[in-house]
Amino acid sequence: DVQMTQSPSTLSASVGDRVTITCRASQSISNWLAWYQQKPGRAPKLLIYQASNLDGGVPSRFSGSGSETDFTLTISSLQPDDFATYYCQQYNSWSQFSFGPGTKVEIK
Amino acid sequence: DVQLVESGGGLVQPGGSLRLSCAASGFTFSNYWMSWVRQAPGKGLEWVANINQDGSEKYYLDSARGRFTISRDNAKNSLHLQMNSLRVEDTAVYYCATYGGRLPAVDWWGQGTLVTVSS
Repeated sequence: DVQMTQSPSTLSASVGDRVTITCRASQSISNWLAWYQQKPGRAPKLLIYQASNLDGGVPSRFSGSGSETDFTLTISSLQPDDFATYYCQQYNSWSQFSFGPGTKVEIK
Repeated sequence: DVQLVESGGGLVQPGGSLRLSCAASGFTFSNYWMSWVRQAPGKGLEWVANINQDGSEKYYLDSARGRFTISRDNAKNSLHLQMNSLRVEDTAVYYCATYGGRLPAVDWWGQGTLVTVSS
């Protein structure tokens, strides 16, 4: 099974900061990686699919990169609406999807 | 508009059973793989199960295999999760979700239904 790790688990940042979250897969998943944003009491919202493709309507300050086992999500200039928890998810095989443990982005 | 509406959650004792349903509308349900994803209170997201378009392929989280059964009724545009031998650690909000609705990813999500396993 593919295990996902994320770092950091919590990130304190200010509005306007550049923020980077990393995600690592225990084996190669090519580019079958998505990033989600989740706010309390809400369903996850897809931000990025196939590692680097931005979902429509997602602000361009979000970007994703990486392949095989190492991936990053970057927010170029943190906005008040971006304080949330972010999850990576691998979907390399129908037989097993898995999520990273999440990164909570807090106000510094 | 696309809608995924879960139902069937509630309070159940350990060892009990519950059947979750997800009513889909606004898209051609039979064209898509579907998933169940759960989230324990205050915890992260956890994939539970996948089912293909005609129900002939089903895959499960290791801890769910043998206890949970994912199924679908394409005539009724509905997805189900039969959960047996429930454990305290199965307590979570359960989301149904669609793969590939617009994009090659799990991109459409319901709002979730809460399952509480407690004596």
